[in-house]
Amino acid sequence: EVQLVESGGGLVQPGGSLRLSCAASGFTFSNYWMSWVRQAPGKGLEWVANIKQDGSEKFYVDSVLGRFTISRDNAENSLYLQMKSLRADDTAVYYCARAGAGIVGASVVDPWGQGTLVTVSS
Amino acid sequence: QSVLTQPPSVSAAPGQKVTISCSGSSSNIGNNHVSWYQQLPGTAPKLLIYDNYKRPSGIPDRFSGSKSGTSATLDITGLQTGDEADYYCGTWDSSLSAEVVFGGGTKLTVL
Repeated sequence: EVQLVESGGGLVQPGGSLRLSCAASGFTFSNYWMSWVRQAPGKGLEWVANIKQDGSEKFYVDSVLGRFTISRDNAENSLYLQMKSLRADDTAVYYCARAGAGIVGASVVDPWGQGTLVTVSS
Repeated sequence: QSVLTQPPSVSAAPGQKVTISCSGSSSNIGNNHVSWYQQLPGTAPKLLIYDNYKRPSGIPDRFSGSKSGTSATLDITGLQTGDEADYYCGTWDSSLSAEVVFGGGTKLTVL
């Protein structure tokens, strides 16, 4: 069974940093693009970033460019999201998900983890 | 304000059919495939439709998708109370800010 389990969320002050992790199992992690998608409380979905199988290509939503870094460790079957200079509007549930290949498949996101809540507040 | 426009809510009775629309532009839906997601209350989203009309394994054929020009549609037939959820369309947007974009979501109520 494919499983994605996020961790690392929590309460952080504005301007602070946080690193999210996602442990993948049940599939050959190194064969797939991966995504982070977030959902602010009571709001819709917002794509955050995608990363290619070998980490050589990464795409980000404009609002996190320069602040967030997506990365992966294929040996550990893990996906990461390093977040810095956090703002109140970064408050959301962050989902790790397996993505389709490249640009064509970027919006094909399946399955999703259960999510981890990040709250940015003083 | 979402790049893709969906109606905030739709409703229908059990057994009926409902249609959810997703409107975009030439930089997104017009030139890229559309995916649809179902998010049941308190759960993570689930992929329902990809590549405009394809269903992943395990998704019943009561769910169907289509695309025409810069708009896409999700049809749900034989509505069940368990279909009450939020539904999102998504695609790639190849404008200056090349990114995945989602619609604002549609809340389906099964009366």
